[in-house]
Amino acid sequence: DTAVSQTPKYLVTQMGNDKSIKCEQNLGHDTMYWYKQDSKKFLKIMFSYNNKELIINETVPNRFSPKSPDKAHLNLHINSLELGDSAVYFCASSHARGVIATEAFFGQGTRLTVV
Amino acid sequence: AQSVSQHNHHVILSEAASLELGCNYSYGGTVNLFWYVQYPGQHLQLLLKYFSGDPLVKGIKGFEAEFIKSKFSFNLRKPSVQWSDTAEYFCAVNARTGRRALTFGSGTRLQVQP
Repeated sequence: DTAVSQTPKYLVTQMGNDKSIKCEQNLGHDTMYWYKQDSKKFLKIMFSYNNKELIINETVPNRFSPKSPDKAHLNLHINSLELGDSAVYFCASSHARGVIATEAFFGQGTRLTVV
Repeated sequence: AQSVSQHNHHVILSEAASLELGCNYSYGGTVNLFWYVQYPGQHLQLLLKYFSGDPLVKGIKGFEAEFIKSKFSFNLRKPSVQWSDTAEYFCAVNARTGRRALTFGSGTRLQVQP
């Protein structure tokens, strides 16, 4: 049973295309995230949703649009893809014990290559 | 704002050598601290975490870390590394209350030679 699953695992596409990455978690967590890992392995938060509400939107181009249809799903849609969007995108989820934050669980990652 | 510094970018060890990876953080409030490991081509897995209590925490695969509040440090240790420990190691923090998103260090690539 995969806790956080994202699809596809690999995505190769041409510049200018629009693509989506899907993420689902079966942990019952209330918060989901998208992180971007660049070619130097640096991980940075892009978006965070809590109970379907956007709570973190880091300085990400508005070509990136997250959508959370329910607490268990957080999708990432990218318009007009650029070469610089090539990276590994990780979905994650976490839950709070009351107001106390806990650890995040990560999906397998989606390696996006824009050619 | 939170920030995390990992001083060792690339560490090469022989099997059975001892490991210590440095991690320092900067944040004005109370934090949770984590070490994640990323094996080649894989996702991030939690090695260990510190929320409160005993500052020496033990994780999976024989790893441990010590939280030293006065030094804002959370160094990762393992007495004897194995070839299978070859991976990228990330230190991360989040705010105990409030912002839950993790802030990561730049990672340390550990290469263990047989």
